[in-house]
Amino acid sequence: SAVISQKPSRDICQRGTSLTIQCQVDSQVTMMFWHRQQPGQSLTLIATANQGSEATYESGFVIDKFPISRPNLTFSTLTVSNLSPEDSSIYLCSVLDRVFYNEQFFGPGTRLTVL
Amino acid sequence: KNQVEQSPQSLIILEGKNCTLQCNYTVSPFSNLRWYKQDTGRGPVSLTIMTFSENTKSNGRYTATLDADTKQSSLHITASQLSDSASYICVVILQRGSTLGRLYFGRGTQLTVWP
Repeated sequence: SAVISQKPSRDICQRGTSLTIQCQVDSQVTMMFWHRQQPGQSLTLIATANQGSEATYESGFVIDKFPISRPNLTFSTLTVSNLSPEDSSIYLCSVLDRVFYNEQFFGPGTRLTVL
Repeated sequence: KNQVEQSPQSLIILEGKNCTLQCNYTVSPFSNLRWYKQDTGRGPVSLTIMTFSENTKSNGRYTATLDADTKQSSLHITASQLSDSASYICVVILQRGSTLGRLYFGRGTQLTVWP
């Protein structure tokens, strides 16, 4: 199975600042995704991180607010820009591992608190 | 509208007892349905994956069932242990050609196992 790490595991940020979250996978994967999980809520897909091209965003999420980079097949970053308290959530990356029958593996998540 | 509804929202059981969690969905066309376990502070971990042609799948003490006609799935946990305390998330994947389609997440059932 793919092993995924995220940095930081948690952070507390001031309103108006930005936070960049890193996602590292121990093997090359075709598809990487970013999700948000607000308190007590289900996971919501933010975007698909595409290697070498712009990310594909879901409805309600825009590149200016959530810029994503995917420089290679094992690494991606998500930046949450111009933070507001409403951005306080857990942010998770996930990967699709076609070797394991399209199994989807999730990272441990980054808990963001915006003051 | 594609949705995934889970019930109950939360559940408390005594150690050693069995329980069943429900998932109803309206996602169509349907590709596959997955149950994940999410421990507090961790990313979701896959328990079972079922395609529309599968009625049941087991993973140790976890048994998932699927009725594609009624669009219902259940996750049965046998002989519960304290370590089963977690959120259980039902995820339904939309069919989109030969590629993985959009994921729809339920809100999860928060299970607490008491000694």
